[in-house]
Amino acid sequence: AQKITQTQPGMFVQEKEAVTLDCTYDTSDPSYGLFWYKQPSSGEMIFLIYQGSYDQQNATEGRYSLNFQKARKSANLVISASQLGDSAMYFCAMSPYTGANSKLTFGKGITLSVRP
Amino acid sequence: DTEVTQTPKHLVMGMTNKKSLKCEQHMGHRAMYWYKQKAKKPPELMFVYSYEKLSINESVPSRFSPECPNSSLLNLHLHALQPEDSALYLCASSQMPGQRSYGYTFGSGTRLTVV
Repeated sequence: AQKITQTQPGMFVQEKEAVTLDCTYDTSDPSYGLFWYKQPSSGEMIFLIYQGSYDQQNATEGRYSLNFQKARKSANLVISASQLGDSAMYFCAMSPYTGANSKLTFGKGITLSVRP
Repeated sequence: DTEVTQTPKHLVMGMTNKKSLKCEQHMGHRAMYWYKQKAKKPPELMFVYSYEKLSINESVPSRFSPECPNSSLLNLHLHALQPEDSALYLCASSQMPGQRSYGYTFGSGTRLTVV
């Protein structure tokens, strides 16, 4: 079984500044994927970034980067140059590479508010 | 086409009604999922279909009945629901783990209210 932990309370960041959203995980699976999703108040779940457990380099997607520390089992999301539109709920999620029975498990989420 | 389409976007139903939620994807993904999400909570997995066969049922009550008619469509049939079943229902699809472009794509969800 896998577990995702997001313990930060609601986060606030000033527009144009960087912010780090924390995520730790626990799994006994040797291979897995880590994901970050953004969910605005409209409800849609928007994919941001993916990191495979065997990837040597940290993933980056535009303003999003993932600080992956495998030994510490952490996968923190860094958002650079925050924008007002970044205000949303952010979920860290994980899926083992187990074929047909793979499933995506979510952390409880973090609310990010960007101040002008 | 890189979308998962869910219909309807909003649904209000009585406790004696029968309704269906629909989900469609044309990305060639062979795994499809139903999640239930209550306000301010993470999505909770309900069902997983892999190659059109039900592979995971997370002990969901029988008033929820999934169906996968083909590789592009996923339905969730609803019958005799309770007010506590009111939630956002999200559909997702993915390639198999390890395949190229592995990742989960979500639809925009159906907001269900049971009255």
